[in-house]
Amino acid sequence: DIVLTQSPESLAVSLGERATINCKSSQSLLYNSDKKNYLAWYQQSPGHPPKLLIYWASNRESGVPDRFSGGGSGTDFTLTIASLQAEDVGNYYCQQYYTSPYTFGQGTKLEI
Amino acid sequence: QVRLQESGPGLVKPLETLSLTCTVSGGSFSTYYWSWIRQSPGKGLEWIGYIYYTGTTIYNPSLQSRVTMSIDTSKNQFSLDLNSVSAADTATYFCARGTPTVQFWSHWGQGTLVTVSS
Repeated sequence: DIVLTQSPESLAVSLGERATINCKSSQSLLYNSDKKNYLAWYQQSPGHPPKLLIYWASNRESGVPDRFSGGGSGTDFTLTIASLQAEDVGNYYCQQYYTSPYTFGQGTKLEI
Repeated sequence: QVRLQESGPGLVKPLETLSLTCTVSGGSFSTYYWSWIRQSPGKGLEWIGYIYYTGTTIYNPSLQSRVTMSIDTSKNQFSLDLNSVSAADTATYFCARGTPTVQFWSHWGQGTLVTVSS
């Protein structure tokens, strides 16, 4: 199975400041035939299901604020929140869909 | 607006079968992959498997021996059976819709907590 390791496990950021979450994969998620990275990012608030933020490593889902951005390629990826808002508090997960079984990172808890 | 809703017992006895159904409304049921994902404090988010609208299934090898998924396109429902459950299967179970080609999930049910206990 592909193992995704997120860092840090928890993160406290002031309102308006930048937050960066890392996700490292045990193998490359870049598919040679289409040059796409098979990685997604989700946000989860307590009592709610995960919400898709980013797919193909850097494509923002419709309706997601542009302060959220994804980057990286191969085995190293980042999720950046450019200017933290109060509603951004929660847990964030990366997920690979390169190959089955599809796996998630262990999560990063983002606090203010 | 696509909506998914899980239903089923919230309490299952050890060694019995956990059975859940996901009802989909507001969108096309065909051409998509439909997944079950669970979340427990100990193991985080775990993909259980998916079923295609044609009935094709792929399961997580870690659960494959105990999982069966089925689909009823006439009712826009798909189901999960997990047999021989133990306390380790206690989790919130989500149903989710994949894309027509790859497995990330933009639509999720609210989730249902299933506790395994005698």
